[in-house]
Amino acid sequence: KAGVTQTPRYLIKTRGQQVTLSCSPISGHRSVSWYQQTPGQGLQFLFEYFSETQRNKGNFPGRFSGRQFSNSRSEMNVSTLELGDSALYLCASSTDRVSGANVLTFGAGSRLTVL
Amino acid sequence: AQSVTQLDSQVPVFEEAPVELRCNYSSSVSVYLFWYVQYPNQGLQLLLKYLSGSTLVKGINGFEAEFNKSQTSFHLRKPSVHISDTAEYFCAVSTTGNTPLVFGKGTRLSVIA
Repeated sequence: KAGVTQTPRYLIKTRGQQVTLSCSPISGHRSVSWYQQTPGQGLQFLFEYFSETQRNKGNFPGRFSGRQFSNSRSEMNVSTLELGDSALYLCASSTDRVSGANVLTFGAGSRLTVL
Repeated sequence: AQSVTQLDSQVPVFEEAPVELRCNYSSSVSVYLFWYVQYPNQGLQLLLKYLSGSTLVKGINGFEAEFNKSQTSFHLRKPSVHISDTAEYFCAVSTTGNTPLVFGKGTRLSVIA
């Protein structure tokens, strides 16, 4: 069974540009969550999508957005990039919360460097 | 809202020695608890989870953790570490309802030969 696939793995952008990151969840998983990981702030929750609807949103500015497609694949977009957006962006998928718990399986991440 | 505190940012330990990585959480409702491991340039891998039932949870790679509700803790232990256990370890908590998983700041485990 294929794991969570994130593309691209590495990318370099300049300030003011925008970026789109892609995530393909494990087959059968309908929930996709995104996290930003930085050395200073650790792992911070960005948003969660389930059945093409945003179910949860973290405390990030509106420059950060996401969406989910009917096949559960998800994308996140960051517009008007700032130096502080340099981070590892992690996508995770899960089945629905049958027992109430959201057990996440993570991808390898997309490392974004903003110059 | 729930929160997680990992009490040690770095833990050095000699090979074949035991190790304990400490995690405390804060929540006003019932919790689900997790430990994840992250190797360099990789994503997070689930080590073990507590959802319900027995408070002693066994995971992969010989790790185990004990849920202590009165102490609000979920410490991770391994009786004998290997060089390959060198990595960053994250404790995480979520609750019932559609709440996101909240992570601690991580503990960097360095195993010394």
